[in-house]
Amino acid sequence: EPEVTQTPSHQVTQMGQEVILRCVPISNHLYFYWYRQILGQKVEFLVSFYNNEISEKSEIFDDQFSVERPDGSNFTLKIRSTKLEDSAMYFCASALAKNIQYFGAGTRLSVL
Amino acid sequence: AQRVTQPEKLLSVFKGAPVELKCNYSYSGSPELFWYVQYSRQRLQLLLRHISRESIKGFTADLNKGETSFHLKKPFAQEEDSAMYYCALLVQAGTALIFGKGTTLSVSS
Repeated sequence: EPEVTQTPSHQVTQMGQEVILRCVPISNHLYFYWYRQILGQKVEFLVSFYNNEISEKSEIFDDQFSVERPDGSNFTLKIRSTKLEDSAMYFCASALAKNIQYFGAGTRLSVL
Repeated sequence: AQRVTQPEKLLSVFKGAPVELKCNYSYSGSPELFWYVQYSRQRLQLLLRHISRESIKGFTADLNKGETSFHLKKPFAQEEDSAMYYCALLVQAGTALIFGKGTTLSVSS
C-alpha cells in the first residue's frame, strides 16, 4: 500500500539555523499539506498546496516558513531561522481527492 | 470559529468492555467528520469518515447534527485498540483538517 514518506524522522538543530523537512507524497496525489503538533497539544494546520501554489495557510505559517515541490515528487517545508517554539512533530499529508488526507509518520524537530 | 472538542484526554477500559470516545464540533454548516487513529510510533491513519457510514475494526461513529457530535463507539474493546484517537473536522473539501486534542484509549486485560 503506498504511503507518505517523511525524512528525517528526527532533526536536531540550533536556534537560528535553517531546516528543510522532506516529504514524498503518494505518487498520484494532487493536494499536499503540512501540519505540526507541539508536544501535548493538538495537531495544527500549517499550509496546503495544490497546482504548484499555496492554496491555504494558517497564521502559524509566517514569513519564516516556505514550501516547495521542487521536482514533482518531493514536497518540502523550510523553516528559515528556527526558534525554540518551532520544536514539534511535523506531519506531511497528501490527498488524491479533496477529502481524504493520508499522513506521513512525521519528523520530530528539536530546536536547541 | 470552527472547533473540535474531545473532552477526555485518557480513557481506560478493560478488554471486552464497551468504548465510547466523545467528539463534539462547532460549525454551523454541513461538515465532514473523520476519526484518525495513531498506534504507538506509527502514523496517523484514517479510521472512519461519517460519509462512509461503515464499521472499521468494529468501530462505528454516527454524526448527530442536533448535538453536533461524532462519538466513536465499539461494543467490545480489544487490547490492540489501545492508541491515540483524533476526531477531525473538514469544513470544505480541499481545506485544512481541524483536529481535536485527541484521546488516548488504553485497553487492559
